[in-house]
Amino acid sequence: GENVEQHPSTLSVQEGDSAVIKCTYSDSASNYFPWYKQELGKGPQLIIDIRSNVGEKKDQRIAVTLNKTAKHFSLHITETQPEDSAVYFCAASSNNNDMRFGAGTRLTVKP
Amino acid sequence: DTAVSQTPKYLVTQMGNDKSIKCEQNLGHDTMYWYKQDSKKFLKIMFSYNNKELIINETVPNRFSPKSPDKAHLNLHINSLELGDSAVYFCASSSLVAGANYGYTFGSGTRLTVV
Repeated sequence: GENVEQHPSTLSVQEGDSAVIKCTYSDSASNYFPWYKQELGKGPQLIIDIRSNVGEKKDQRIAVTLNKTAKHFSLHITETQPEDSAVYFCAASSNNNDMRFGAGTRLTVKP
Repeated sequence: DTAVSQTPKYLVTQMGNDKSIKCEQNLGHDTMYWYKQDSKKFLKIMFSYNNKELIINETVPNRFSPKSPDKAHLNLHINSLELGDSAVYFCASSSLVAGANYGYTFGSGTRLTVV
């Protein structure tokens, strides 16, 4: 089955700096890679996703990149703000919709 | 509001009791899930139902029994609760459209504390 590894487990940045979270996956059949943000006391919320037929996708300050050959994908947050502080999860799934999550990254943005 | 709703939000109970958590989605999704999130925030799949049919059943003690009366509801019943069952349980739903996955919509979680 799919195995998703996520790094780093914690990340602290200064407001305005960029943050990068990286994930690797094991199953070459995986074709859908979403990212979730979990704020304190809430459920994970989908913030951006990418499919295996594209290499990059951007939505305002958030971008995701995918390297299918290396089985890597990354989340990039630019101009970070204190409200970006949360736990971020990457995930990977194939057409069977069996989604596997990374272990999470706790991002802290210091004002 | 379109959402995934789960109840209760908090559940404190004694060891050995039996309890249920309910989940409902009004998004028209065909697949629903239960995830367990431990104290280290790791999200572990427990069960998945597609149109009322069980499709994923991870290595979970048989004290946990999911029930899906229809595709909009997926409840979780837990027998003989143990201290190690303490965690946050998330319900989620999603759809497969033309064979392509779409992201999950999660409920707000049920924090279960077994004392």
